[in-house]
Amino acid sequence: GQNIDQPTEMTATEGAIVQINCTYQTSGFNGLFWYQQHAGEAPTFLSYNVLDGLEEKGRFSSFLSRSKGYSYLLLKELQMKDSASYLCAVRDGDYKLSFGAGTTVTVRA
Amino acid sequence: IAGITQAPTSQILAAGRRMTLRCTQDMRHNAMYWYRQDLGLGLRLIHYSNTAGTTGKGEVPDGYSVSRANTDDFPLTLASAVPSQTSVYFCASSESSGSGSPLHFGNGTRLTVT
Repeated sequence: GQNIDQPTEMTATEGAIVQINCTYQTSGFNGLFWYQQHAGEAPTFLSYNVLDGLEEKGRFSSFLSRSKGYSYLLLKELQMKDSASYLCAVRDGDYKLSFGAGTTVTVRA
Repeated sequence: IAGITQAPTSQILAAGRRMTLRCTQDMRHNAMYWYRQDLGLGLRLIHYSNTAGTTGKGEVPDGYSVSRANTDDFPLTLASAVPSQTSVYFCASSESSGSGSPLHFGNGTRLTVT
């Protein structure tokens, strides 16, 4: 199976920046995804990295280092609506997508 | 609005009963997936289908079966439900099973087996 680790919980203040780390060990690698999931709702796609480096999409950025088996999701200018779980997912050599347990981010006023 | 429809939204089922969770997508996506989500364990892949007519086993396939008779439908069947199958079940689809194709998720089915 795959091994994908991310912190369980993080808390930050509105307007601040939060970085969610994800480390992985998989048999083969065909890309890393970040999803956002609000409580009681379905996960929604945020970002995709397959090459090393930073991908920026508005307030959200995602970074990948394949040699280190490491990624992070950076959330800038935090808003209350960003309170959610953030899921790191890795596509392995067989193209199956495995998910980490998720990081619950709480944004406080 | 294009997307994935799951039914039912929630269900309470007696142990030993048979149950089929329905999933339909109208995006003409080739690949479809079933995941279960449990607190502290995240999403775990049950079964998948890379294209109509083919299926494969995921991480936790025991006690579940699927079929993919056409592009749009991907039902998940529990032949004889057990309490450990209490979970939230998400159906998802992607344009292909290739690298950069993100998954789109349905709203989930909350299943309780008593």
